[in-house]
Amino acid sequence: GAVVSQHPSWVICKSGTSVKIECRSLDFQATTMFWYRQFPKQSLMLMATSNEGSKATYEQGVEKDKFLINHASLTLSTLTVTSAHPEDSSFYICSAADRTYNSPLHFGNGTRLTVT
Amino acid sequence: AQKVTQAQTEISVVEKEDVTLDCVYETRDTTYYLFWYKQPPSGELVFLIRRNSFDEQNEISGRYSWNFQKSTSSFNFTITASQVVDSAVYFCALSEWYRGSTLGRLYFGRGTQLTVWP
Repeated sequence: GAVVSQHPSWVICKSGTSVKIECRSLDFQATTMFWYRQFPKQSLMLMATSNEGSKATYEQGVEKDKFLINHASLTLSTLTVTSAHPEDSSFYICSAADRTYNSPLHFGNGTRLTVT
Repeated sequence: AQKVTQAQTEISVVEKEDVTLDCVYETRDTTYYLFWYKQPPSGELVFLIRRNSFDEQNEISGRYSWNFQKSTSSFNFTITASQVVDSAVYFCALSEWYRGSTLGRLYFGRGTQLTVWP
């Protein structure tokens, strides 16, 4: 079945550094990918919608300069957390919708970011 | 206002008991999808079911069953004869019409932590 690969699965970085998270659709073309954030014991909150070939659409309250999203191809979207701080520590998970929209949204396995 | 409400934060049952997880949603759209996902401690989201707004038939898949009631805007999930491996957080989610499709952004409930004791 359709698979979404997310990398890395976990990362620890120092405050002030940037971290890039990749989301790939392995066997289908994803024109739209979604980035969610999940705090411990909380729900998943949509951060932004990534559209291939155009600018991402950010949800209210999400800093677009801090969370850079690039969707350069139909199989890859990246989320870069710039100048990370401890409060950015969270679980980030992406999802992707294929062109047919006949299959369920596919989720990556998530990335656990810890900023020290 | 929350679009998806899962009022049960935590549920504990003993193995072999049946358990129902509640989900109430809110939308003005006539076309939408409802989902249930399972999130084990490892964090990944495991797709369980997708139901569109025009299909109110209940569904059964093994020990899992879903009751969709548009009249009460509910989409409840029942696990029959629960097992320890069912322990996880379960999320109900709603997808509304977006860019010509309903399979777009998801609104998640807060999740229900289910613990099944041996």
